Amino acid sequence: GENVEQHPSTLSVQEGDSAVIKCTYSDSASNYFPWYKQELGKRPQLIIDIRSNVGEKKDQRIAVTLNKTAKHFSLHITETQPEDSAVYFCAATGSGTASKLTFGTGTRLQVTL
Amino acid sequence: DAGITQSPRHKVTETGTPVTLRCHQTENHRYMYWYRQDPGHGLRLIHYSYGVKDTDKGEVSDGYSVSRSKTEDFLLTLESATSSQTSVYFCAISESVGPGLETQYFGPGTRLLVL
Repeated sequence: GENVEQHPSTLSVQEGDSAVIKCTYSDSASNYFPWYKQELGKRPQLIIDIRSNVGEKKDQRIAVTLNKTAKHFSLHITETQPEDSAVYFCAATGSGTASKLTFGTGTRLQVTL
Repeated sequence: DAGITQSPRHKVTETGTPVTLRCHQTENHRYMYWYRQDPGHGLRLIHYSYGVKDTDKGEVSDGYSVSRSKTEDFLLTLESATSSQTSVYFCAISESVGPGLETQYFGPGTRLLVL
C-alpha cells in the first residue's frame, strides 16, 4: 500500500517568514495530494490540494508543488502569521474504488511574534 | 463546515464492552470514511464505504466493524473495546472519486477513552 513520510515533525518560524513542509510517497499510481490544517481540538480542514497532472498550485499565501518523478510534494506558506500555527498533514491517494487517503504523521508549525 | 455530525463526541468505556460511534451527513455524499488519530501516527483509515451496504477495510481495521444501511449514516463498532483503541475517531465524507469531487470533509471527531 501507499506510504507517506512527512518532514519536519515540528517547525518554528518567525512571523513574516516562509515555512516549507515536505512529503514523500511510495505509490507511483497516487494521483491526488491534499493538505489539511488542524487546529488544537478541531477537525482537519483542507487548505489546498493538487492532482498528479499539475506541477504547482497556488492560493494566496499557500502553494503546493509536486514532483512526480521524485515522488515528493511540498507545502509552502509565505508571509506566515500567528493564525497559521497548527498541525499540517499531507496525504496521498492511489487508484481504486474510493479516495483512500494515506496521511503523513503531521508537522506542528509554530509562528512566533 | 460540511453537514457532518458525530455522536457521541466523548465517551469513556471499559475494556471488553462493545461501542458504536455514529457518523451522520446531510450532504448526500456517496463515500464515507472512518479514521483514527493518534500522536505520531497522523490519521489512519479504519474502514470506508462507497455506497449503501458497500464497505471495505482500511489499513487498521482489526477489531472494528462498520455498517451503512442509509446514505446518511455510517456506524463504526468496536466489538470488544481494548485500551489500544483509545483514540480520536474522525468520520469523513466525499462526493465521488473523480477530479474535483474527491475532497474529503471531516466531522468534528469523537474522543474515546477505554479504561
